Amino acid sequence: AQTVTQSQPEMSVQEAETVTLSCTYDTSESDYYLFWYKQPPSRQMILVIRQEAYKQQNATENRFSVNFQKAAKSFSLKISDSQLGDAAMYFCAYRYNNNDMRFGAGTRLTVKP
Amino acid sequence: EAQVTQNPRYLITVTGKKLTVTCSQNMNHEYMSWYRQDPGLGLRQIYYSMNVEVTDKGDVPEGYKVSRKEKRNFPLILESPSPNQTSLYFCASSPWTGFGELFFGEGSRLTVL
Repeated sequence: AQTVTQSQPEMSVQEAETVTLSCTYDTSESDYYLFWYKQPPSRQMILVIRQEAYKQQNATENRFSVNFQKAAKSFSLKISDSQLGDAAMYFCAYRYNNNDMRFGAGTRLTVKP
Repeated sequence: EAQVTQNPRYLITVTGKKLTVTCSQNMNHEYMSWYRQDPGLGLRQIYYSMNVEVTDKGDVPEGYKVSRKEKRNFPLILESPSPNQTSLYFCASSPWTGFGELFFGEGSRLTVL
């Protein structure tokens, strides 16, 4: 079964600085989707960014970007110019062929003013 | 507004008292799924449905039932709740084609005493 690992249970960043959250996954498939979801204290699951495995170019959404290393099965999230509103739990997720989405255990990000 | 709606958002109940958490989506999505979120474990799939009258077990189905009689609704039933089912529950949906993103409800916090 596919697994997703987030090795950093907690991370901290100073406001306006940059932070990178790590994620690795295990799969034998060649085409799949990867996601980062944000869960603020409201508990809502908010899509931050998505990456399709067949696309070599790393996805970017404003201050959020990914470093997708397909051979290494690594999918890290970089948050630039961190803001207080970025404080949340972040989940890395994998999905193949519209089947079950697999989630990592999450990384809690604290942003210090 | 496109959304997934869950009810109730909060519920405290006692062991053995049957309960149902409703889920409805207005996006005409074929795929619907239930997840539970527990600290340190991320989100784990309970049941999913690929279309009306088609349901299947996820990773943690014990103690739960589901039904999919209409495309828009996918209720989660706990026939005899136990304290180990205390958790945060999410309903999610997605179209059969597209970028694979799951659209989440706002979550239901369930406490079983």
